[in-house]
Amino acid sequence: NAGVTQTPKFQVLKTGQSMTLQCAQDMNHNSMYWYRQDPGMGLRLIYYSASEGTTDKGEVPNGYNVSRLNKREFSLRLESAAPSQTSVYFCASKPTSGTDTQYFGPGTRLTVL
Amino acid sequence: AQTVTQSQPEMSVQEAETVTLSCTYDTSESDYYLFWYKQPPSRQMILVIRQEAYKQQNATENRFSVNFQKAAKSFSLKISDSQLGDAAMYFCAYRGYSSNTGKLIFGQGTTLQVKP
Repeated sequence: NAGVTQTPKFQVLKTGQSMTLQCAQDMNHNSMYWYRQDPGMGLRLIYYSASEGTTDKGEVPNGYNVSRLNKREFSLRLESAAPSQTSVYFCASKPTSGTDTQYFGPGTRLTVL
Repeated sequence: AQTVTQSQPEMSVQEAETVTLSCTYDTSESDYYLFWYKQPPSRQMILVIRQEAYKQQNATENRFSVNFQKAAKSFSLKISDSQLGDAAMYFCAYRGYSSNTGKLIFGQGTTLQVKP
């Protein structure tokens, strides 16, 4: 099992450009999450999907959109990137029952110039 | 709203010694989960230990243990016999039991340096 995978690992954008961060998990988990990590602020939830077909806003959703494509995949889109979106982005997944542990991907470092 | 606070931005410990990282949280819920995650330079978030609030016994995982003080809303991590591989950023996280979303609330993180 690969666990949670994210692509790309690094990305540099210019202000106003758009891009999609991809996330996939092969653990048959129902719930998936997108976080951003900024220095001195820990990880903050952007969007989450409790199950296939549903998405909800987290703490910092402005400037982002998400798509739960199927049970495995949960993508994060920046329609018009801004320098304030420079951050490290993490995807995570969690089963509905049993262990409450979230499993994280390796992260994407995004720089917006 | 729930909050998690880690008041130590940086800590250092000598190899083979013991270090304690602090975490406090604020919540009005009675049932919840608490976690410590480790983030080494590779950026990968790795679960170190978890604690269910309804359990009085402190969780232990090999060299890692917690001191969970529910009344004080405190959840510290003790690392015994520190190793060079323990050097990383450590995050404390909270999840409400009644939350059907499972979302985590993280503290700001503590960077741990291990000196040889």
